[in-house]
Amino acid sequence: DQQVKQNSPSLSVQEGRISILNCDYTNSMFDYFLWYKKYPAEGPTFLISISSIKDKNEDGRFTVFLNKSAKHLSLHIVPSQPGDSAVYFCAPLSATNKLIFGTGTLLAVQP
Amino acid sequence: DTGVSQNPRHKITKRGQNVTFRCDPISEHNRLYWYRQTLGQGPEFLTYFQNEAQLEKSRLLSDRFSAERPKGSFSTLEIQRTEQGDSAMYLCASSLNGDSPLHFGNGTRLTVT
Repeated sequence: DQQVKQNSPSLSVQEGRISILNCDYTNSMFDYFLWYKKYPAEGPTFLISISSIKDKNEDGRFTVFLNKSAKHLSLHIVPSQPGDSAVYFCAPLSATNKLIFGTGTLLAVQP
Repeated sequence: DTGVSQNPRHKITKRGQNVTFRCDPISEHNRLYWYRQTLGQGPEFLTYFQNEAQLEKSRLLSDRFSAERPKGSFSTLEIQRTEQGDSAMYLCASSLNGDSPLHFGNGTRLTVT
């Protein structure tokens, strides 16, 4: 069963505009969520996280929003830059401290 | 660079052969994880260690797979009698503790012919 869903396999935005990547999950016990970015031929790198006690966490151009009642989170990147082009994974932390990854969204930022 | 190191980067093997991958985590990171990623999917959890103790194994980890972390530092992942379905990117990650983000290596890409 797919506990973490990223329903948009790909997203294309213009440089300078906002990128919004979405993630839905099914397990209401998840209480810590991470976003990872992955470039080709490299491992995923940690980007930003949010705890369930918050509904928003901001780090520079990156903001993550959490809606626990809807079991939904989103990552906003503004302004988007060509170097942001990568695959983005949503990854809640399970009760046994392992990351459960979504299928990823390929973001392409057009110059 | 003191990141997570994985060797080899690429491995091509024939079906039925055994392969072993190595992961060197970030120094002083107590936790070490193995994940597997196939095309179009996110990384899937295989197993993890707290120091030298293997604390959890996914049901994806059949009895052909074995992982060790003998001294709580580097880890090895062995696949016996490889099958074509084992072809994937095998990712290793480490973290300082259970509350810390995972730091991933660049993976070992396995191709079974």
